[in-house]
Amino acid sequence: DGGITQSPKYLFRKEGQNVTLSCEQNLNHDAMYWYRQDPGQGLRLIYYSQIVNDFQKGDIAEGYSVSREKKESFPLTVTSAQKNPTAFYLCASSAGQGSYEQYFGPGTRLTVT
Amino acid sequence: GESVGLHLPTLSVQEGDNSIINCAYSNSASDYFIWYKQESGKGPQFIIDIRSNMDKRQGQRVTVLLNKTVKHLSLQIAATQPGDSAVYFCAESSNTGNQFYFGTGTSLTVIP
Repeated sequence: DGGITQSPKYLFRKEGQNVTLSCEQNLNHDAMYWYRQDPGQGLRLIYYSQIVNDFQKGDIAEGYSVSREKKESFPLTVTSAQKNPTAFYLCASSAGQGSYEQYFGPGTRLTVT
Repeated sequence: GESVGLHLPTLSVQEGDNSIINCAYSNSASDYFIWYKQESGKGPQFIIDIRSNMDKRQGQRVTVLLNKTVKHLSLQIAATQPGDSAVYFCAESSNTGNQFYFGTGTSLTVIP
């Protein structure tokens, strides 16, 4: 059953703690992406990776970090430096190399109090 | 940066009617556009895409129209059904295709 999985679906953390969100894909896609979605707003790009061991900052990378050690995995860490971490986080992947369509995971809703 | 916006934040239609959702974009160099459907609490799902060398593309019950002159994109849903109720996003790609810019979304409600 191919696709993108994100876990957990809901995540709660105390302010000041780092938290890592999981994203795994078995589509053999080269490119992976992390977006943040706030109520009533569109998706904003945090980080993206076109290939293993390489990633670039998106529009709102401050307070976040990523790694891409394996093709199928692209974890996102929300650090204590992120001022407003409570949001819905979406991971996506695409085949890359001219194939633009992005496939999205189910999302993780992070609440920081 | 890029700017992608929707003309109407909400749209209500009667079941069986056709729906039209509009989107404006600002980068005339964008060459690829996608419409996504997002149900509450879920990730966006691909509906249909169109490249800038096309004016129209049809799928199952959906049609996307692209007017490059006025930088406008629309999604038409024929015979709208209750299951079509969701938020619809348009997205445009950067020149390299590595980044997409998403609009704020239009919430479609289908009235039975």
